[in-house]
Amino acid sequence: AQSVSQHNHHVILSEAASLELGCNYSYGGTVNLFWYVQYPGQHLQLLLKYFSGDPLVKGIKGFEAEFIKSKFSFNLRKPSVQWSDTAEYFCAVNGRTGANNLFFGTGTRLTVIP
Amino acid sequence: KAGVTQTPRYLIKTRGQQVTLSCSPISGHRSVSWYQQTPGQGLQFLFEYFSETQRNKGNFPGRFSGRQFSNSRSEMNVSTLELGDSALYLCASSLHPANTGELFFGEGSRLTVL
Repeated sequence: AQSVSQHNHHVILSEAASLELGCNYSYGGTVNLFWYVQYPGQHLQLLLKYFSGDPLVKGIKGFEAEFIKSKFSFNLRKPSVQWSDTAEYFCAVNGRTGANNLFFGTGTRLTVIP
Repeated sequence: KAGVTQTPRYLIKTRGQQVTLSCSPISGHRSVSWYQQTPGQGLQFLFEYFSETQRNKGNFPGRFSGRQFSNSRSEMNVSTLELGDSALYLCASSLHPANTGELFFGEGSRLTVL
């Protein structure tokens, strides 16, 4: 069965600190990987995605993620966080190519202190 | 362009009742997916509709059902409500199922079952 693990439940950083959020998945076939973000009071929105090709993908607001197939990982990174990055971050994997049934991790709450 | 609209935003029901939630996708989007979000289980896929047909279904009991209309609007119904059905129900739309995971989420309908 497909599953996604996010090991960090709550991360607290000061502004300008570097960020890395872990995501590991379990799936036996071809994967599409995603990071979604939910800012306080807002709806869930796509941050970045990986379908194929360059394993280092860049998303909005300076975020990037690296797909490491051998480690079944898709960690999210940002070199310097801002207070406005305070949000909940969800890693997700596509269960089947050609479908929109995502398997989500439990989320990581990021708090950035000014 | 208007986003995904879900109604009602909040509702309270008692055990044994049924509830219907509505979702209007982004104009031009023909795929609608539903997710349940709870503190304990996180985001879980319920079902996906495209062209008025259910394409995928998650691991939920038959009390959970849905449908899609010719204008792509979707409804989901939960019958014989249980306390454990209290959750945020999220609707997401995409252009086509082959968008494979690039979803646009609504703000959700928060259901409380007493």
